[in-house]
Amino acid sequence: GENVEQHPSTLSVQEGDSAVIKCTYSDSASNYFPWYKQELGKGPQLIIDIRSNVGEKKDQRIAVTLNKTAKHFSLHITETQPEDSAVYFCAAADSNYQLIWGAGTKLIIKP
Amino acid sequence: KAGVTQTPRYLIKTRGQQVTLSCSPISGHRSVSWYQQTPGQGLQFLFEYFSETQRNKGNFPGRFSGRQFSNSRSEMNVSTLELGDSALYLCASSLFPREEETQYFGPGTRLLVL
Repeated sequence: GENVEQHPSTLSVQEGDSAVIKCTYSDSASNYFPWYKQELGKGPQLIIDIRSNVGEKKDQRIAVTLNKTAKHFSLHITETQPEDSAVYFCAAADSNYQLIWGAGTKLIIKP
Repeated sequence: KAGVTQTPRYLIKTRGQQVTLSCSPISGHRSVSWYQQTPGQGLQFLFEYFSETQRNKGNFPGRFSGRQFSNSRSEMNVSTLELGDSALYLCASSLFPREEETQYFGPGTRLLVL
């Protein structure tokens, strides 16, 4: 079955710098890769997603890249701001449309 | 449009008891998924319901069960609670169980088992 690994588990960056979170997956049949952000006391919220027929997708300061050959995808956040501090989860959809989740990355933005 | 609501938000139980958690999906959403979130294990999938039928089930013991009603509201039940069941239980809804359908999460029910 699908397995998703996420790194790093904690990432601390200076405000204004960029942050990159990486995930690898095992099932080459996976076609859909969302990223969720979870703030304290709240449930995860979708921030961006990508399908396997696209290599990169951008939404303002957030971008996701996908390398299907290497089976990894990454979240890029540029010009980080204090409100970007949260836990970020990657996921991959398996053949049963079930999302398999990474373990999460705690992003800390230092003022 | 109201978001996903979960009740209760906090719950304290003792070992051996049972508990029922409730989830009301976004209006019009017919798919409901349940997850257990713990600091060490991340998000673990429990089960998914669509049109009152369980579509998928995660790797949890039979003490964990759920159901979905005709109005798409869902409940999950945990019987014979163990200390290790202490966690945040999240419910997510989507229109249909398709991979590209966004899952919208509720705030969760935090369960503490003493």
